[in-house]
Amino acid sequence: DAKTTQPTSMDCAEGRAANLPCNHSTISGNEYVYWYRQIHSQGPQYIIHGLKNNETNEMASLIITEDRKSSTLILPHATLRDTAVYYCIVRAFGNEKLTFGTGTRLTIIP
Amino acid sequence: GAGVSQSPRYKVAKRGQDVALRCDPISGHVSLFWYQQALGQGPEFLTYFQNEAQLDKSGLPSDRFFAERPEGSVSTLKIQRTQQEDSAVYLCASSLASGGVNSPLHFGNGTRLTVT
Repeated sequence: DAKTTQPTSMDCAEGRAANLPCNHSTISGNEYVYWYRQIHSQGPQYIIHGLKNNETNEMASLIITEDRKSSTLILPHATLRDTAVYYCIVRAFGNEKLTFGTGTRLTIIP
Repeated sequence: GAGVSQSPRYKVAKRGQDVALRCDPISGHVSLFWYQQALGQGPEFLTYFQNEAQLDKSGLPSDRFFAERPEGSVSTLKIQRTQQEDSAVYLCASSLASGGVNSPLHFGNGTRLTVT
C-alpha cells in the first residue's frame, strides 16, 4: 500500500472547521483513501473513505485532489470530543488489512 | 448494537508467563484482525482471519505469538513466555465482508498488556 504523510500535530478552535491534510503521492489506481481516528484509551474509529470523488457523511467530508496525490479530511464544526489522533491510510482493493502511520494529533481548543 | 468486545481490559504479567487475550467480534463479521500498538505509535498489523482460516500471520513478531479463531467467531491471541517488549495495547477489529473496501474495520478498545 502507498505510504502517507501527515503533519504530526494540529490545533483547531472549537466550532471552527478542522482541515486535516494527507499526502499520498505514490497512490495507485486501485487504492482507496481511508480516515480513522483514535480517541485516548479507545480503539481506532472509522470516519470515511473514498476513491476519487469527494465524499461526505455525518461525521466528516473527504476532499481528494484530481490527481489523487493528496486529500483533506474536514470536520465542519469541531467540538472538544473531536480531539484525537487522525490516521490517513491508503488501502488497495482486495487488501484486507490497514497499515497505520503515526497520524496527526488534533487538539480542539475551547 | 454491540461492538467489538475485548477482555481483559488490562493485564499485568510477570516476565515468562503466558497470557491469553480474547476478542468477541461483531456478530456475523467474517474478517477478524489483531493489531499491536506501542505507546505513541500507530497500530501495527499482527494477523488476519477469514472465518476460521488464518490467512495472514505475517505481522506476528515471533513464534511466541499464536492466534486462533476455531469456530469463526471468538478469537484468542496467546503470547507465551512474555517479555518486556511485549508490553503494548493489543487491538482486535472485525469487518463484515472479506476483500470489500466498503467494509470498514470496527475496532475494540483493546487490552493493555504490561509485562513486569
